[in-house]
Amino acid sequence: AQKVTQAQTEISVVEKEDVTLDCVYETRDTTYYLFWYKQPPSGELVFLIRRNSFDEQNEISGRYSWNFQKSTSSFNFTITASQVVDSAVYFCALSAGYNTDKLIFGTGTRLQVFP
Amino acid sequence: GAVVSQHPSRVICKSGTSVKIECRSLDFQATTMFWYRQFPKQSLMLMATSNEGSKATYEQGVEKDKFLINHASLTLSTLTVTSAHPEDSSFYICSARPSGLGSYEQYFGPGTRLTVT
Repeated sequence: AQKVTQAQTEISVVEKEDVTLDCVYETRDTTYYLFWYKQPPSGELVFLIRRNSFDEQNEISGRYSWNFQKSTSSFNFTITASQVVDSAVYFCALSAGYNTDKLIFGTGTRLQVFP
Repeated sequence: GAVVSQHPSRVICKSGTSVKIECRSLDFQATTMFWYRQFPKQSLMLMATSNEGSKATYEQGVEKDKFLINHASLTLSTLTVTSAHPEDSSFYICSARPSGLGSYEQYFGPGTRLTVT
């Protein structure tokens, strides 16, 4: 079975704090892809990153960074020096198996950044 | 680039009526489009995969006769909720994957909020 768990339902931080959003996934496939999406209040999902299972290198993009650890089946997302505009719901997603088009989403983490 | 639009953004309909939601890829062609459903404060659940010129593939538990999908062109897919009931009220989101080898990213539309009274 494939599953994505985002244990943190809601996180509140004050601007400029660093925050890490956790994502734990389950799959029996050796080839899979992991994603993070941002859903602002407007509702539209914004693609942030895609990582395949063979690339465990951590990635940094501006204030965003991702830590992929196969040993713990985790793909955590850190926002450094958070800003109010980062307030949104963040979804971690997995695609695996024969149908890599199918995205299995976690339940999302609502991040609120206060000024 | 890579913009996906949905129309309408919000719709209220009476129980028993049908409502059609359009999903358009504005600046790219999409052989494959996807329809998701999102309940309040919950995750997105894939309902069906829509392929241009062929029948949609529905996920387990999704009634294909209730949620009619038509993907008649490379830039348009429609979802029709037939004989809508209050439990069909939800946020419906489409996504589109650009045609072409190696294309994997799905671009999401802004969603359509359906309220059935």
